[in-house]
Amino acid sequence: DTEVTQTPKHLVMGMTNKKSLKCEQHMGHRAMYWYKQKAKKPPELMFVYSYEKLSINESVPSRFSPECPNSSLLNLHLHALQPEDSALYLCASSQVRGFNTEAFFGQGTRLTVV
Amino acid sequence: RKEVEQDPGPFNVPEGATVAFNCTYSNSASQSFFWYRQDCRKEPKLLMSVYSSGNEDGRFTAQLNRASQYISLLIRDSKLSDSATYLCVVNAEDSSYKLIFGSGTRLLVRP
Repeated sequence: DTEVTQTPKHLVMGMTNKKSLKCEQHMGHRAMYWYKQKAKKPPELMFVYSYEKLSINESVPSRFSPECPNSSLLNLHLHALQPEDSALYLCASSQVRGFNTEAFFGQGTRLTVV
Repeated sequence: RKEVEQDPGPFNVPEGATVAFNCTYSNSASQSFFWYRQDCRKEPKLLMSVYSSGNEDGRFTAQLNRASQYISLLIRDSKLSDSATYLCVVNAEDSSYKLIFGSGTRLLVRP
């Protein structure tokens, strides 16, 4: 069972809505990630937080806004999304160290933009 | 050239068979290597890290060949429950956090 919990599991939102995805982990990991996965494609990295600071933004459009309120929580705020943003959004966490840092994924939020 | 390349499959094998997947990566400076499995409409789950010395976990054996820049996964005595997509993952050159996923190899184990 995953120790990374994401809510909600499913979300349908209109293009003018504002919503947030939430992610929580209690493994003491200080690195947290957002990935996006389209059907039949591999996950693609969006953001990385290390010690609650944004360390990587993979040129993600500003309609996606990440937030890391504390070491256990990671949010992704959504505003004015497009239908092509419909995907599985995965949160992951890992320790902060050199290499062979294993990342553990939550079950994901399946987002549909209508 | 893709950063991480895998044969998409599907590999269709009978129960009990041995099956091997290969993965090639383009960045010679990569230091971290993993195999994940992903079931349909589920999240990726870490199967194993891959070390230079190779590693084994039960029926699963992973090997790394740095000179040729490829990683392999061997599954012995396949079970029906092994049916999934297997993702080869390598870290990007500029960051240990930035994991690059291959497109995955689909395995179907039939009775």
